[in-house]
Amino acid sequence: DTGVSQNPRHKITKRGQNVTFRCDPISEHNRLYWYRQTLGQGPEFLTYFQNEAQLEKSRLLSDRFSAERPKGSFSTLEIQRTEQGDSAMYLCASSLKGQRYEQYFGPGTRLTVT
Amino acid sequence: AQSVTQPDIHITVSEGASLELRCNYSYGATPYLFWYVQSPGQGLQLLLKYFSGDTLVQGIKGFEAEFKRSQSSFNLRKPSVHWSDAAEYFCAVGPADNAGKSTFGDGTTLTVKP
Repeated sequence: DTGVSQNPRHKITKRGQNVTFRCDPISEHNRLYWYRQTLGQGPEFLTYFQNEAQLEKSRLLSDRFSAERPKGSFSTLEIQRTEQGDSAMYLCASSLKGQRYEQYFGPGTRLTVT
Repeated sequence: AQSVTQPDIHITVSEGASLELRCNYSYGATPYLFWYVQSPGQGLQLLLKYFSGDTLVQGIKGFEAEFKRSQSSFNLRKPSVHWSDAAEYFCAVGPADNAGKSTFGDGTTLTVKP
């Protein structure tokens, strides 16, 4: 069990550029979640997948954000036309049905938009 | 809607002293409750969880928490704090309606004085 991994760990981009983050969940976990965490706040739910199906999206997830999990394994989160307000830590978590969806978090991707 | 309140933004304790971090939640049914710890620049590590049964739950690193339904609280405790416990602590409630996502409080930052 190698845990949840996220890449890159840090990303600095200029406003208006597109960025993509990757999350590799624990291998047998069927659920995958994306959260966003800004300074001084707890993580806020963005979206989650069960296998390859995206089951829920938060209202926080504007049209510039898109997430995929094409084969039910890894997931990508893309932000188009980044804005300074997108600067945050993006956390991924995974869980397994039958374990009451106990979530295991990755180390996060720190995005800085300049 | 579910919500979590952590009333203390910042707590300072001396090494060796006892610790209690407060958490109040709002949830329509029996909640699933979690405490996580986050070190600077890192992801979240699960300390302990409550699903049902015994209202006093034990976690890793010597932490425990007590679920009190009448007070809608799930306070985290440790009898003797170590300098390595300095971190940010998040209380979370979830999943709701089998959705799996968690709602987090805004965290309590713990500083440990030598």
